[in-house]
Amino acid sequence: GQQVMQIPQYQHVQEGEDFTTYCNSSTTLSNIQWYKQRPGGHPVFLIQLVKSGEVKKQKRLTFQFGEAKKNSSLHITATQTTDVGTYFCAGSRYGGSQGNLIFGKGTKLSVKP
Amino acid sequence: KAGVTQTPRYLIKTRGQQVTLSCSPISGHRSVSWYQQTPGQGLQFLFEYFSETQRNKGNFPGRFSGRQFSNSRSEMNVSTLELGDSALYLCASSPRGTGELFFGEGSRLTVL
Repeated sequence: GQQVMQIPQYQHVQEGEDFTTYCNSSTTLSNIQWYKQRPGGHPVFLIQLVKSGEVKKQKRLTFQFGEAKKNSSLHITATQTTDVGTYFCAGSRYGGSQGNLIFGKGTKLSVKP
Repeated sequence: KAGVTQTPRYLIKTRGQQVTLSCSPISGHRSVSWYQQTPGQGLQFLFEYFSETQRNKGNFPGRFSGRQFSNSRSEMNVSTLELGDSALYLCASSPRGTGELFFGEGSRLTVL
C-alpha cells in the first residue's frame, strides 16, 4: 500500500540554525499537506501543495513539492524556540476524501536557545 | 468560530471495557475524521464520516466503530478495550472532506 516516509525522525538545532524535513512517497501524490504539532498539542495545518514543482513560503518556512509529485520538503530558516514541535507531512494519492491522506511519522524538532 | 471540540479529554479504562468518544466539528463542516496517535505508529486513520455516511475506513479491527449525527457531531466507540488501544484519539473536521483538516485537542485514553 501507499507509504509516506519522513526523515529525519528527530532534529536538534541551535537557535538560529536552519532546519529541513523531507517527505517521500512510494507513489505519485495528488497533493501533500504539512502540519505542526506542538508538545502536548494537536496537529495544526500549515499548507497544502498541489502542483508539480510548487514552492510556497510562509515567513521563515519554505515548502516544496517535487517535480514527480512523490516528495516534498519543509525548510525553516533561522529557527526560533517557537518552532519547537513535530512536523508531519500527509500525502493523498487520490484526493476526494480525507481517508486517502497518509501521514508520515513526523520529524520532531527541538531548538536550543 | 469555535474549534473542534472533543470530550472527554482524558479517560482511564480497564481491559475489556468499552469507551465512547465524542466530537463536535466546526459549524458548517460536514466531514469528520478520526485518527489514533501513538508514539510508535504515529497518526493512523480510523474512519471518515460525511453527511452521516461512513465514507472511508482505515485498517482497524471491528471493535472500533463510529457514527455521525444529522448535526455533524460524531462519536467513536471502542469495545473490548485492549492495552494497545491506549492512545490519543484525534477528531478532525473539514468543510467538504478535502483540503485542510482542523483537529480537536484529542481524547487521551489509557487502558490499564
